[in-house]
Amino acid sequence: KAGVTQTPRYLIKTRGQQVTLSCSPISGHRSVSWYQQTPGQGLQFLFEYFSETQRNKGNFPGRFSGRQFSNSRSEMNVSTLELGDSALYLCASSFEGPNTEAFFGQGTRLTVV
Amino acid sequence: DAKTTQPPSMDCAEGRAANLPCNHSTISGNEYVYWYRQIHSQGPQYIIHGLKNNETNEMASLIITEDRKSSTLILPHATLRDTAVYYCIVKPWGQGAQKLVFGQGTRLTINP
Repeated sequence: KAGVTQTPRYLIKTRGQQVTLSCSPISGHRSVSWYQQTPGQGLQFLFEYFSETQRNKGNFPGRFSGRQFSNSRSEMNVSTLELGDSALYLCASSFEGPNTEAFFGQGTRLTVV
Repeated sequence: DAKTTQPPSMDCAEGRAANLPCNHSTISGNEYVYWYRQIHSQGPQYIIHGLKNNETNEMASLIITEDRKSSTLILPHATLRDTAVYYCIVKPWGQGAQKLVFGQGTRLTINP
């Protein structure tokens, strides 16, 4: 079956711009979470959505936001981009359950110049 | 903050068993131990998870100590493709939520 799909794979933006990243989960998965990976901070949890509701949020400024649609697809948005937002953004999806595993996409590599 | 401690790096010869340790001394009774790995610039890949019993799947074995304060991931016959960063994560049971708290992981290098 198809895995988690993230688009675009690569993106270059200018400081001050905004960006929207997309994630299509594995069919049947209703939980979608987002992570940021940088060399300095490693993999950090951004937020998680389930049934179109944000269920958990990491320690990131309000410039980082997301949403989930009724088909479980999710988008995350970063406004007023800063150089430090350059990172690999990863999306993961999972079934709902007590001890399920998360499946990650290949990520979107965002470069802010 | 991550609730696990792992050695920053390890080496293993191809064909030998790779044993990756993880300390999670503050683990709670309702927390599972999960292992993921990340091959360079790819998304993390799920390997295995367990609560208190040893677990085995087609990729690896997970050995959890009786007091649950540490665990070992075993790759029985390591290949060059197993070179990756391996993350040990504890996650509460009962939460479908996938908030994974990653530490720095162990960079495993498989040598020919």
